[in-house]
Amino acid sequence: DAGVIQSPRHEVTEMGQEVTLRCKPISGHNSLFWYRQTMMRGLELLIYFNNNVPIDDSGMPEDRFSAKMPNASFSTLKIQPSEPRDSAVYFCASIPGLAGVKGEQFFGPGTRLTVL
Amino acid sequence: QKEVEQDPGPLSVPEGAIVSLNCTYSNSAFQYFMWYRQYSRKGPELLMYTYSSGNKEDGRFTAQVDKSSKYISLFIRDSQPSDSATYLCAMSGRGAQKLVFGQGTRLTINP
Repeated sequence: DAGVIQSPRHEVTEMGQEVTLRCKPISGHNSLFWYRQTMMRGLELLIYFNNNVPIDDSGMPEDRFSAKMPNASFSTLKIQPSEPRDSAVYFCASIPGLAGVKGEQFFGPGTRLTVL
Repeated sequence: QKEVEQDPGPLSVPEGAIVSLNCTYSNSAFQYFMWYRQYSRKGPELLMYTYSSGNKEDGRFTAQVDKSSKYISLFIRDSQPSDSATYLCAMSGRGAQKLVFGQGTRLTINP
């Protein structure tokens, strides 16, 4: 079975540009999480969805960030306009049901974003 | 103060050594405790899971939870170079849906 798929794997952009990150969760999983990882702050939850509905977006840093899940097999995280401090690795994770079995979330390979 | 504190290291030990990794936390509502392992340029993967206080052993790995002290540990026995990775503690409250991660400890096992 394919795991969580993220694209692109690397993104380099200039400050002020719009960035869109994409995620395809594992088939049959109905909860999806977006995380951001930096050396300074570690792995932070940005937003999560259950059955395509945003449940908790308290981790979204500011209005420049938005996330959508139009269907069960696709989600996007958009940053507009991007800033150098948004440079990080962005991970998507999915789980079956409302809560992972024994705390397990399945992570994608991440998108490494660099904003110049 | 962060809900979960973890020393980011880096930690470097010789092959065969016993490794001890630790996290402290402040939220007494946490009931589920996990350790994730993250290899370079990869996403985290679940390594160990513990519910409430106690010990859990899986091969060379032992997870300990002391809820009274709000302290969790991961021990690696007979460490191998393949154990070189970043280890993240994670915890959650009832429902186990929203995980709070520590910063991660970068571990290197030297042959």
